[in-house]
Order: sequence, then C-alpha cells, then structure tokens
Amino acid sequence: EIVLTQSPDFQSVTPKEKVTITCRASQSIGSSLHWYQQKPDQSPKLLIKYASQSISGVPSRFSGSGSGTDFTLTINSLEAEDAATYYCHQSSSLRGTFGQGTKLEIK
Amino acid sequence: QVTLRESGPALVKPTQTLTLTCTFSGFSLSTSGMCVSWIRQPPGKALEWLARIDWDDDKYYSTSLKTRLTISKDTSKNQVVLTMTNMDPVDTATYYCARVAYCSGGSPEDYWGQGTLVTVSS
Repeated sequence: EIVLTQSPDFQSVTPKEKVTITCRASQSIGSSLHWYQQKPDQSPKLLIKYASQSISGVPSRFSGSGSGTDFTLTINSLEAEDAATYYCHQSSSLRGTFGQGTKLEIK
Repeated sequence: QVTLRESGPALVKPTQTLTLTCTFSGFSLSTSGMCVSWIRQPPGKALEWLARIDWDDDKYYSTSLKTRLTISKDTSKNQVVLTMTNMDPVDTATYYCARVAYCSGGSPEDYWGQGTLVTVSS
C-alpha cells in the first residue's frame, strides 16, 4: 500500500500569506497525485488533479507541483474562505490512499 | 449534472453487516472508464479509501479491509452497493461514494455524494 505523508499537520496563517503544503509518497507515483479541500460538514472538493492540473471553477491562487514522490500544494494570497483541511490522494495504484490531512486555520 | 447520494442505516450494532447504497445520476457505469469508489471518514479524522468498482466489473479493495468488504453494481438502477461485515465501533464514520471518470488513467474522484453517517453501537 502506498503511504502518503503530509506536512504540516496544522498551520495557522494570516490572510494574503502564501501557504505551502507538502505530500510525500512512500514510492514513486508519477503524477497520479491529487489535492482536495474539505470544509467542516462538507464533502471533499477536488482542487488539483495529476499534481499540477487546474480544475474548472477553482480559484487560480491554488496550484500544485511535483512528481515521483514529492508534491506541493501552494495557496497564493490566502483568503479567509480557504480555512479548511487539505488532503492529498494517490491513484497510481489500484487501491487509492489519502494523506492524513493538513488543517489550515486563518488568524 | 452528476449527482451521487448515499443511503443506508444510521445505526448498526457491533458484529452486524452494514449495507450502503450509492444512487447516482448524470453518468453511466456501463461507460468505458467509469468507476465508483467508496471512502469513509471517522469523526474528526482523515479520509480512508475503501473500495472501487469499474465499468467492466473489476473490483478493488483496501488491503486492510478486504476480507470484510464487498462492492457490487446494478447498472440498470444506477446503483453501487457496499457491504461491510462484522461492524465494530471503530467503523463509526461518514461513508462517501464518489465518481471516477477515467479510472484506468488514474483519474481522481471528481464528484462526491454528501456522505452518510453510520454509528456502530449496541
């Protein structure tokens, strides 16, 4: 099973700040890494697919990069509505896995 | 418009079998490349991928739960059913179903249901 490890687990940030969340895979997964945003009492929402591909309707301040085992989600100029938990997810293997999540708090 | 909706019991007793149904619209599971996954989330905890069924009836299960899970589909009813045997309080979670539009290409789950909370308690 491919294990995804995110860092940090929690981050408290101020509006307009730039945020970087990392996800490391236990083995190479190419670009089959996706990012989700989940707000309280809501279903996860797809933000970025295949490491860096944007999703229609997602603000352009969200971007992704990486390949192989190391991936990054970047949020430029953070807004209050970005308070949420962010998860990475791999679909490289036939059995998907998720990272443990990164909770973002807005000061 | 793609929608998915999970249904099933809100409360099950330990050792019982849980049966959840995902009813969807806006796509067909007979379309090549289309798949449906089940994911769960214990209260306050992370997402956990459980199982997936593909348009060609291939099935995949979480390594840790594969002995307890069965996934099936009824294409004519646009439904996917997940059963989990020998339920335990640690299985208390919100259970989601989600669509994968091109699973053979490693696509992510793009549309999700609202989730259904299942509590395991005597």
